[in-house]
Amino acid sequence: NAGVTQTPKFQVLKTGQSMTLQCAQDMNHNSMYWYRQDPGMGLRLIYYSASEGTTDKGEVPNGYNVSRLNKREFSLRLESAAPSQTSVYFCASSVGEDYSGNTIYFGEGSWLTVV
Amino acid sequence: QKEVEQDPGPLSVPEGAIVSLNCTYSNSAFQYFMWYRQYSRKGPELLMYTYSSGNKEDGRFTAQVDKSSKYISLFIRDSQPSDSATYLCAMRAPSGNTPLVFGKGTRLSVIA
Repeated sequence: NAGVTQTPKFQVLKTGQSMTLQCAQDMNHNSMYWYRQDPGMGLRLIYYSASEGTTDKGEVPNGYNVSRLNKREFSLRLESAAPSQTSVYFCASSVGEDYSGNTIYFGEGSWLTVV
Repeated sequence: QKEVEQDPGPLSVPEGAIVSLNCTYSNSAFQYFMWYRQYSRKGPELLMYTYSSGNKEDGRFTAQVDKSSKYISLFIRDSQPSDSATYLCAMRAPSGNTPLVFGKGTRLSVIA
């Protein structure tokens, strides 16, 4: 019962460094998402992919890029990390396409600190 | 005004109390309403899901939706220390694959 798996779980970066957060789901879901969660701000959508081959910006896309590598995998890249990107990042997936309310299943989170 | 408003708490109650958690929203197109529970240092997990108006009960949990007031609630009966978590409301419109809109979450502590 892996569900949504994201790596790494913890990472410390220096300002200006780049890194990629990896995410994979084994539920044959069409849609995948990247959120960030900050104290007092709640969950904010960074990017999402409604289906394989498509990606769309969410609420806070600046400073991030994404790749939907295949149906299972959706990666988030920080090209030049900034302290403002210190956050907890959650990958998520759903069946997609307006099916039963589009329930979203979340990964365990990746704690990223940019110093 | 944010699309979804949720009091962040924290809310602290004694074991056995009835807990009421609430969200208000501004988008009348929202039809799907969900409550997620998030334990510390974990990802959110779906707790309750309701379509349109009405009530839904699952064990000690009851979700209510009042679309006329744009107000949703989650009630927890006989609260337990294991219910201590952050509860996030989420909602979306039915058109296409529109992403969920989340509230900021309410942190609940149930004291034994």
